[in-house]
Amino acid sequence: DAGITQSPRYKITETGRQVTLMCHQTWSHSYMFWYRQDLGHGLRLIYYSAAADITDKGEVPDGYVVSRSKTENFPLTLESATRSQTSVYFCASSATGGAGEKLFFGSGTQLSVL
Amino acid sequence: KQEVTQIPAALSVPEGENLVLNCSFTDSAIYNLQWFRQDPGKGLTSLLLIQSSQREQTSGRLNASLDKSSGRSTLYIAASQPGDSATYLCAGRGGTYKYIFGTGTRLKVLA
Repeated sequence: DAGITQSPRYKITETGRQVTLMCHQTWSHSYMFWYRQDLGHGLRLIYYSAAADITDKGEVPDGYVVSRSKTENFPLTLESATRSQTSVYFCASSATGGAGEKLFFGSGTQLSVL
Repeated sequence: KQEVTQIPAALSVPEGENLVLNCSFTDSAIYNLQWFRQDPGKGLTSLLLIQSSQREQTSGRLNASLDKSSGRSTLYIAASQPGDSATYLCAGRGGTYKYIFGTGTRLKVLA
């Protein structure tokens, strides 16, 4: 099915463990984004990517690593999870410029770090 | 650093009422702006995108405007319905593709 999908939908992990959240889009959009959503903070940008092999930091990048070897995939890795990284994570994608810049979001991954 | 404020944080209105949601930016150098809807436990859905050369966009009962000089955007919802109940978020970007989001307005339309 066309669209943007995130996996897993829910994840529980322990502090110190490495966790990878997956994001896949089928539109061949150039841009992909990772946001986290927390009560009182709204959505905050973690990392974004303009194309394969091009990534840049957002507002809250510390503790996260991203890669983009293929246009359609943009995984987010928490190298050593901390309780403060408990959040809902959203992946998004968009085409480049103009009316195509509309952001499309996945359904989110709810991550709990115990 | 760009900051986005949405007022009010929550709003409850009777069905049929016209309403306005507000969004303001600390840095008025906004290039593009989008309004989104988020239902509980779901992702965000883009409602309207206002490009840098535009001042407003309309879709059905929704109208969004952008005043760059004042760093403000409004979302107007006409003849509100219970199905409009959701959280509405605005997001803007400057010269880069970093969209910065407001914290949203939680809308409840009473039948």
